[in-house]
Amino acid sequence: NAGVMQNPRHLVRRRGQEARLRCSPMKGHSHVYWYRQLPEEGLKFMVYLQKENIIDESGMPKERFSAEFPKEGPSILRIQQVVRGDSAAYFCASSPGGAGAQYFGPGTRLLVL
Amino acid sequence: AQRVTQPEKLLSVFKGAPVELKCNYSYSGSPELFWYVQYSRQRLQLLLRHISRESIKGFTADLNKGETSFHLKKPFAQEEDSAMYYCALSERTGANNLFFGTGTRLTVIP
Repeated sequence: NAGVMQNPRHLVRRRGQEARLRCSPMKGHSHVYWYRQLPEEGLKFMVYLQKENIIDESGMPKERFSAEFPKEGPSILRIQQVVRGDSAAYFCASSPGGAGAQYFGPGTRLLVL
Repeated sequence: AQRVTQPEKLLSVFKGAPVELKCNYSYSGSPELFWYVQYSRQRLQLLLRHISRESIKGFTADLNKGETSFHLKKPFAQEEDSAMYYCALSERTGANNLFFGTGTRLTVIP
């Protein structure tokens, strides 16, 4: 089992561009979570998805951010019109069910110039 | 509201010395507590969870509901224990998202 995969590992964008972050959960896992880690801070929950459904998006900024987990393919976290404050490490995690331990990917480090 | 506090940002101990990484939480319900560890250049990985009550790599953690703490302990630190440690809380009902502390960087001095 290859574990949770995220790509790209590093992403550089200019202000105003779009950033797309991809996450493939562990085999057999149908629950995906996205977290953001700003410098010198802990991970902060953003969104929790199951296949084709957003279960909890209480941690997502109201504008410019969206997430999906289609029936086929990876989960996508999309940030439109990026600003410098979006620079952070974005981590994806997956779990087999709706409770218990989560398994993390290596993260995508987004830098907005 | 849920909150996880790790009061020590940095902790250094000598090899062979006992180590304790502190974690306090606030939550009105009955939470599930975890410790995650991130070694250099590796991904965040689960170290242990309170419901399993097991010892991993010599580490243990006991949930103290009276003090709302979940401190991580090891009697004899090893150099390979040097890493970033995060305490996390999950609600047992409702959403399954984790609430993380800000982490403690442990350095074991040879």
